[in-house]
Amino acid sequence: AQSVTQLGSHVSVSEGALVLLRCNYSSSVPPYLFWYVQYPNQGLQLLLKYTSAATLVKGINGFEAEFKKSETSFHLTKPSAHMSDAAEYFCAVTLYSSASKIIFGSGTRLSIRP
Amino acid sequence: DAGVTQSPTHLIKTRGQQVTLRCSPKSGHDTVSWYQQALGQGPQFIFQYYEEEERQRGNFPDRFSGHQFPNYSSELNVNALLLGDSALYLCASNAGAEREGFHNEQFFGPGTRLTVL
Repeated sequence: AQSVTQLGSHVSVSEGALVLLRCNYSSSVPPYLFWYVQYPNQGLQLLLKYTSAATLVKGINGFEAEFKKSETSFHLTKPSAHMSDAAEYFCAVTLYSSASKIIFGSGTRLSIRP
Repeated sequence: DAGVTQSPTHLIKTRGQQVTLRCSPKSGHDTVSWYQQALGQGPQFIFQYYEEEERQRGNFPDRFSGHQFPNYSSELNVNALLLGDSALYLCASNAGAEREGFHNEQFFGPGTRLTVL
């Protein structure tokens, strides 16, 4: 069975600082991994996805994530935080494809300090 | 392109009642999935519809049922509402059914906030 674990339900960083949101996965087969962002009172927006191509994946808004099979991790990073990055972030996994049911982590709320 | 739309935006029901939520997929999409997001949690998969049939189902009781129409829009029905059904219900659409290596992204709507009193 597939699952993801997000470490830290709340992360707070200063504007301009590095953003690091942690995600570890569990999968019996090679996984497809995703990061989604959810702004208040909105749906989910795809930030980036790993589908067995390059292990370093670049997404929108300056975010990127690296797939590390040896560590079963898919951490999300951004070199310099912006106030507009404040939101809820979800790591997710699917079994076969992007059209499969998505299994989400519990989420990490990112706060940005001025 | 209107994207995925859902109605209503908010809904208040009482225990034991029935509710119907609606979703119109993004233009060009023929597959609709429904997710339940309880407060402070990640979304959980309810079921997926393709070609007017339920193709995948998550761990939800039979009180949760759905339908897909020929125009690809979809409804989620919940019977005998419980307090625990209070959540944000998200609809997502994509083009094509699940098959290995097929990577058409699921696009999410803004959700319907259901409150059960």
